[in-house]
Amino acid sequence: AQKVTQAQTEISVVEKEDVTLDCVYETRDTTYYLFWYKQPPSGELVFLIRRNSFDEQNEISGRYSWNFQKSTSSFNFTITASQVVDSAVYFCALRKEGTYKYIFGTGTRLKVLA
Amino acid sequence: DGGITQSPKYLFRKEGQNVTLSCEQNLNHDAMYWYRQDPGQGLRLIYYSQIVNDFQKGDIAEGYSVSREKKESFPLTVTSAQKNPTAFYLCASSLGTSFRGQPQHFGDGTRLSIL
Repeated sequence: AQKVTQAQTEISVVEKEDVTLDCVYETRDTTYYLFWYKQPPSGELVFLIRRNSFDEQNEISGRYSWNFQKSTSSFNFTITASQVVDSAVYFCALRKEGTYKYIFGTGTRLKVLA
Repeated sequence: DGGITQSPKYLFRKEGQNVTLSCEQNLNHDAMYWYRQDPGQGLRLIYYSQIVNDFQKGDIAEGYSVSREKKESFPLTVTSAQKNPTAFYLCASSLGTSFRGQPQHFGDGTRLSIL
């Protein structure tokens, strides 16, 4: 069975601190895709990044970076120098190759305090 | 601009009433989805559709129904059989499985409450 675990329910940081959101997944498939989405207070989910199971390169996009490690089945998300606008719920998701279903974690609520 | 439009933004249901949530996309995506979001429970899949006139039950389909008569439209009906409909409902779409690892695109959601 496939599963995505985001053990951190809520994290609070002070502006300019770095913060890492954890994502651990379970799958027996060799080909799969991992995603991160941001849900601001307005409600819509915004796509941030996709990773396929064959690409373990870490990625950096501005203040955002992602660390994908197949050995530990983790796909963690780090925000450097956090800002108040980063306050949102962040979801990690898994999709198996050849299927339409996405498995979402329960989300991590990030609060960045000014 | 391409995107997904959900309406209404807020919806109230009386006891014993069926209500329909609208979802329209102009992204030319094959697949469409409905999710329910409750506090602390993340997103749970209600129904999804891969092509027109075809749809499959997700993890929590009881008390819900859908139709897919047009590629761009995937309305969700919350029936009176759904005893706890109060939640935030999100519609999403994506390209088909031949487009590997394509992300889902989401609408702004509909918040449904019981009167």
